Formats: sequence, structure tokens, C-alpha cells
Amino acid sequence: GAGVSQSPRYKVAKRGQDVALRCDPISGHVSLFWYQQALGQGPEFLTYFQNEAQLDKSGLPSDRFFAERPEGSVSTLKIQRTQQEDSAVYLCASSQDRAQVYNEQFFGPGTRLTVL
Amino acid sequence: AQKITQTQPGMFVQEKEAVTLDCTYDTSDQSYGLFWYKQPSSGEMIFLIYQGSYDEQNATEGRYSLNFQKARKSANLVISASQLGDSAMYFCAMRENTNAGKSTFGDGTTLTVKP
Repeated sequence: GAGVSQSPRYKVAKRGQDVALRCDPISGHVSLFWYQQALGQGPEFLTYFQNEAQLDKSGLPSDRFFAERPEGSVSTLKIQRTQQEDSAVYLCASSQDRAQVYNEQFFGPGTRLTVL
Repeated sequence: AQKITQTQPGMFVQEKEAVTLDCTYDTSDQSYGLFWYKQPSSGEMIFLIYQGSYDEQNATEGRYSLNFQKARKSANLVISASQLGDSAMYFCAMRENTNAGKSTFGDGTTLTVKP
């Protein structure tokens, strides 16, 4: 399909392991967003890219979290030395243009990360 | 302070009836957008409706309408003629012009439609 895809859909990691979560936005979409959604809560903003530039990373909870989008399309969210509190669904979204108040964001299905 | 507040953790509605989901927000920006999303148990976030802060008319999209009361900083979602497939989690979100890359979400309301 032509929507946002994320892989893997489910990831189980042992505490201390590094994980990498992938997001394929809709082709041609300029903006890409990452969110963290803990169980029973709303999504929390992590970071935002406009093409390959990371314009806002204020939501990344610690320096163990790192995101990149080197060619302005696919993005990877990396979590180093995972902790149990990192267990959540990680949502990726993209929008056609640069981020503006009224732009619609299209969400992927999410990656459910469980840290044991 | 919470930027988006959804005070109803859970709501029930009878099939074919209307239901209102509450959302209040807090911002000092003059320009901002308000969004409602539906998240079924499968997990995907589905965009429902958008209201801009300068829009004079309340937004409507099919069975969804947004009751926007700017002075009260509220943006309630009204679903008319509820269907069983409307059972899901509903999130209110805001984007402010001073930081348009960042959406702020409420904690959601779980809606259950009874047959």
C-alpha cells in the first residue's frame, strides 16, 4: 500500500540491548515525526525531520535515544541500552509539506517495543 | 500545565445515538490547530477532523463535528448516529504555530458503543 510503514511491528528486547526501529514514510513526504505511546496514554512527541534535517529533538527522553533520516526518506529510531521504561508503542507519521499547523499527519501502524 | 485535557477516561453510548467527547486546551499562541484522532484496538491513528484557531465555522466531516468554543478553550468532538465500529480510543491533539512540528495529545477517551 501507499501508507506509512514501520518495522518491525513487534520487538522484544532484553534490558541493556540496543534496538533500531524503522519508518518508511509516504513517498515524497517532506516531514517525518516520531512519537512514543505508553500503555493507556496519548502519544508523546519525540522528534521531527524536515527532509534530512532534524529540526526538533526536544522530546527525546535521554541521550540513549537517537533518530536519523540520512537521505530524507526512511528514518530509523535507535534506542541504546534499553530500559524497562522504554516499553511502549513507537509511532511514526509523515506529512506532505514542511510542518505547519494545518497539515495532516499520516500515521504508521507503530512498533510495539517490550523490554524485559 | 497540561496542554490538552480529556476528562472522560471512558464513555458509553447506545448505537444510533449521538455522543460528545470533551477536550480543553491551553495555549498562548494566537494561531493553532486542533485535531481529533481515532485509535482502534489495532493501533493505527486515524485522522478524523481538524479545526483551525481562526476558523469561524465549526468543522464537520460526515458524522463528526467539532464544537469549538475559543473563549472557553474547548474543542469537543460530537459523533452523531453512533455505530458499533466507532468503539475505539479517541485523542484530541493540538499543534501551535510557534512549534508546528510538535503535536501535543491528550490522554484519550475510550468510547464503547452498545448495541
